[in-house]
Amino acid sequence: DVKVTQSSRYLVKRTGEKVFLECVQDMDHENMFWYRQDPGLGLRLIYFSYDVKMKEKGDIPEGYSVSREKKERFSLILESASTNQTSMYLCASSEAGPNTEAFFGQGTRLTVV
Amino acid sequence: DAKTTQPTSMDCAEGRAANLPCNHSTISGNEYVYWYRQIHSQGPQYIIHGLKNNETNEMASLIITEDRKSSTLILPHATLRDTAVYYCITSYDKVIFGPGTSLSVIP
Repeated sequence: DVKVTQSSRYLVKRTGEKVFLECVQDMDHENMFWYRQDPGLGLRLIYFSYDVKMKEKGDIPEGYSVSREKKERFSLILESASTNQTSMYLCASSEAGPNTEAFFGQGTRLTVV
Repeated sequence: DAKTTQPTSMDCAEGRAANLPCNHSTISGNEYVYWYRQIHSQGPQYIIHGLKNNETNEMASLIITEDRKSSTLILPHATLRDTAVYYCITSYDKVIFGPGTSLSVIP
């Protein structure tokens, strides 16, 4: 079974801290994605990556950056966490091409205080 | 990616078929129709996808109209565990979510 693992299920950070959310997949997938999910706003795409060291902005990249140094790992970075980044963050991966499904991790609920 | 339109919410009696509609009138020729669902507090789960032909797997059936402008996800015998938000997505490569349909299966 494909497994997408997010490093933390719950995380509490202080305003201004640099925060790293880690995601690892074990199926050699080319594509990886980061989303955030907020009540009433649904799932929104932050960044995605088609290959190692490749990244593209999604719908809401402001305040975030990403890193993909290895194929299996995709990190989401909050350079200076703010309270409006309190959210559920979801990572996903998929094979390249249109005829493949995405597999999601269980999510990280981040609270910025 | 093409935009999809789904009902905000639906109810279904336990044991009956749940038919969830989706409109995707601007779908392009190389985009697939995907369905995912999200049970509360979990990550989205893939259900089924198709391009032109109807598809069936152990979870559901997908009926795509001939013009590909709409589709229907069918859960043949809904159970309480099928209560979730169901997302219809048209995608070539990246997955962009709309608000989905909140399905409540009622005992």
